[in-house]
Order: sequence, then structure tokens, then C-alpha cells
Amino acid sequence: EVQLVESGGGLVQPGGSLRLSCAASGFTFSSFAMHWVRQAPGKGLEYVSALSTSGGSTYYANSVKGRFTISRDNSKNTLYLQMGSLRADDMAVYYCARRNWGVRDAFDIWGQGTMVTVSS
Amino acid sequence: QSVLTQPPSVSGAPGQRVTISCTGSSSNIGAGYDVHWYQQLPGTAPKLLIYGNSNRPSGVPDRFSGSKSGTSASLAITGLQAEDEADYYCQSYDSSLSGWMFGGGTKLTVL
Repeated sequence: EVQLVESGGGLVQPGGSLRLSCAASGFTFSSFAMHWVRQAPGKGLEYVSALSTSGGSTYYANSVKGRFTISRDNSKNTLYLQMGSLRADDMAVYYCARRNWGVRDAFDIWGQGTMVTVSS
Repeated sequence: QSVLTQPPSVSGAPGQRVTISCTGSSSNIGAGYDVHWYQQLPGTAPKLLIYGNSNRPSGVPDRFSGSKSGTSASLAITGLQAEDEADYYCQSYDSSLSGWMFGGGTKLTVL
């Protein structure tokens, strides 16, 4: 079964750090660009970050640039999001998603999400 | 404020047809970038509903259809069913941002 499973969310104090993981299975992970998307409670989807297949090309939304770092380990079929200097407005469910050229670069597989709570 | 503008809510009775618009600009939809649509049922992750403006992934009923014209795109749902009650998001790429973005989302209520 093709799936993505996020982990690493939790409660963190403002200014703190957290690393999210996204474990892929059922497909050739190294062949797909990967993305992080977040959703604050009761709000819409917000694009966060993207990473190319090799890890050589990245994209960050302005809201997280300089604070978050996306990376991947193709040998472990895992995507990461290192989050630093966390703020209250970073509190959200974080989803990883696969971008698939076979469906015109749409995000065809999503994880179940992991919740990040930023509070003192 | 999203670069892609969607109505906050739409509603319809079972069996009716509803449309959800997604308005962009010359740097995204108008530049020829594809529009994708996602359905998010309550408490679940988003699911790809329409890709490449008008294509349905396998398993998506043909009650769902998409179109694109100029700087806008639309999602149409015919034969509304209670199970269609969800949030719907459009997505595209923006050349001025050099990145992807989502519309603000539209909540569909089946009356």
C-alpha cells in the first residue's frame, strides 16, 4: 500500500525546536518530490516547503523561511522538517505530501498529519 | 489572504449541482499553470479530487468535474450527496512566488 506516515509532532514552547518525520512506503520514494503543508486549527491549507528528488532544490514559504529546514534520506525513505524559533502561529497539523508528475504534479498521496502545538 | 480566491461557503440540496470558483491572476492560473482540487472530509487529510484542471484520479466519481478559463478555474459537483459535505481547496503554482499555493478553501454544506 502506498502511504505516508508523519511523526514527531507534540507540544513545544515558543522559541523551541521540533523535527517532524514522514515515512514513505509502497513506492519508490527517491523518484518523487515531496512537500510539507500545514493547517492551523479551523483554518485552510497553507503551503510550507518543498524538496526535489535528490534534495538539491528546496522551496520555503515566506512565513517559515530561515526557521524551517526540509531534508530527506532516500536510503530510509523518509522526509524531514526541522522547525526552529517556533511561534504561536506555527501551531498546526503538518501534512507531508507526494508530488506526482503522473498526475500533472498534483499532490496525490497525503499523510494523516501530525499536530504541532506551540505554547508555554 | 490567499493568492487564489475561493468563496468561503456554498450549499445545495441533495441531487442539485453546485460550483466552486477559484480566481487567480496572470502569475498563476492565467500563466497556464495547472489547477488541482482537493477534498477534505471532516477530521481527515486532504484527498486529490481533480488534477490538471479537469482530470479525475481513479476512484473519483464522475459527478465531480473541473474546468479552467483565463485566470479562473471551477469545480462542479452534480447529484449532490450528503457524503460530499467537506472543504474543497484549489491549488496552483505561482511564478511570482516561485512556489505553490492553495486557495482559502470552500466549505460545502449539503442541506
